[in-house]
Amino acid sequence: EAGVAQSPRYKIIEKRQSVAFWCNPISGHATLYWYQQILGQGPKLLIQFQNNGVVDDSQLPKDRFSAERLKGVDSTLKIQPAKLEDSAVYLCASSLNRDRSYEQYFGPGTRLTVT
Amino acid sequence: AQSVAQPEDQVNVAEGNPLTVKCTYSVSGNPYLFWYVQYPNRGLQFLLKYITGDNLVKGSYGFEAEFNKSQTSFHLKKPSALVSDSALYFCAVRDSSYGNNRLAFGKGNQVVVIP
Repeated sequence: EAGVAQSPRYKIIEKRQSVAFWCNPISGHATLYWYQQILGQGPKLLIQFQNNGVVDDSQLPKDRFSAERLKGVDSTLKIQPAKLEDSAVYLCASSLNRDRSYEQYFGPGTRLTVT
Repeated sequence: AQSVAQPEDQVNVAEGNPLTVKCTYSVSGNPYLFWYVQYPNRGLQFLLKYITGDNLVKGSYGFEAEFNKSQTSFHLKKPSALVSDSALYFCAVRDSSYGNNRLAFGKGNQVVVIP
């Protein structure tokens, strides 16, 4: 079974530029999550999708972050414009459904450096 | 909101010795508790969970965790540590405060197993 795929693995941009991350979850997983992991901290949920609908985006900085999962499969997270404090690892995860949210499968992450 | 605390930043242990990684929780109601492990440059992997039942929970790779309600703790344990157990370990709790079953992670513990 293929795992959660993410790209790119690394990205370096200057502040005020824009960046996009892509995630392809495990086949058949209805629930998809985007997390931000700042160095020295645990992952923080940014947004959760159930199929192509948003379930929870309460911790997403909506003035600069956006995400979509148009066909209920893969997803894109965008930052525009980026700030220095956005430097972090962005993790995508998926689970079979919301009831199995405790058993999430994570991708390798995208390490973003904003200079 | 529900939360977990991991009081130590790093745990050093000699190979073959018992390994303990500490976690305390703060929840209202019955806790759903989890442990994840993160190897370098890889996403988090699910290790084990406590939802109900026996206080001693067994998980992947020989790990187990003990749920202690009176001490509000959920420590991760392994009887005999391997060098390959060196990784970052996260305790997490299911947080239903916001109308969604999100996971709230602790800050993580770096485990270093010394050959």
